Amino acid sequence: AQKITQTQPGMFVQEKEAVTLDCTYDTSDPSYGLFWYKQPSSGEMIFLIYQGSYDQQNATEGRYSLNFQKARKSANLVISASQLGDSAMYFCAMREGPGGGADGLTFGKGTHLIIQP
Amino acid sequence: GAGVSQSPSNKVTEKGKDVELRCDPISGHTALYWYRQSLGQGLEFLIYFQGNSAPDKSGLPSDRFSAERTGGSVSTLTIQRTQQEDSAVYLCASSLAGSQFSGNTIYFGEGSWLTVV
Repeated sequence: AQKITQTQPGMFVQEKEAVTLDCTYDTSDPSYGLFWYKQPSSGEMIFLIYQGSYDQQNATEGRYSLNFQKARKSANLVISASQLGDSAMYFCAMREGPGGGADGLTFGKGTHLIIQP
Repeated sequence: GAGVSQSPSNKVTEKGKDVELRCDPISGHTALYWYRQSLGQGLEFLIYFQGNSAPDKSGLPSDRFSAERTGGSVSTLTIQRTQQEDSAVYLCASSLAGSQFSGNTIYFGEGSWLTVV
């Protein structure tokens, strides 16, 4: 089973609208972290936001917020007031505890977001 | 520099040749990660270093792949007898520590684009 599932291969959104990018995860480890990264066409991976499994509040960073629903194992990224520069690939990722194996990140397949003027 | 630095940024090599990819992490970051991203795909975790040791090498796709890290800083990923399926972007990342109990963000370099012809 996939550990990180992003069900939206691509999305078109009108500029200035809010957009929600879906991410569900699968882990049996009680301690984990969830990350969102943005990858523009230039290729670099840009960190956006982090949510720890024990965090009580949803993470927010500027126009980015993470809708964390622990019982549903869901960690959707919400971008408010989208801008043309938000067009990029967006990856959801998870880091699990030592029982889960290597201490790296497991990535979803990504969502290609295109903001239209 | 302030970020994760990778070299070369682009490498074209003939099938069967060996290549070395270098990563210089953010100063003070003890954890270093290598990932691979094939065209249009998500990121595939390869290996993680905590200091100079690699607790888990199981992500390396074959025995043609090896990585080392000396002095707790620079890391080299070596691919021997390259094959066309090795063509990908190889991304290096670093963080303060590899503990899942912290929210230590993983920061990525801009990647080394490898093309095997």
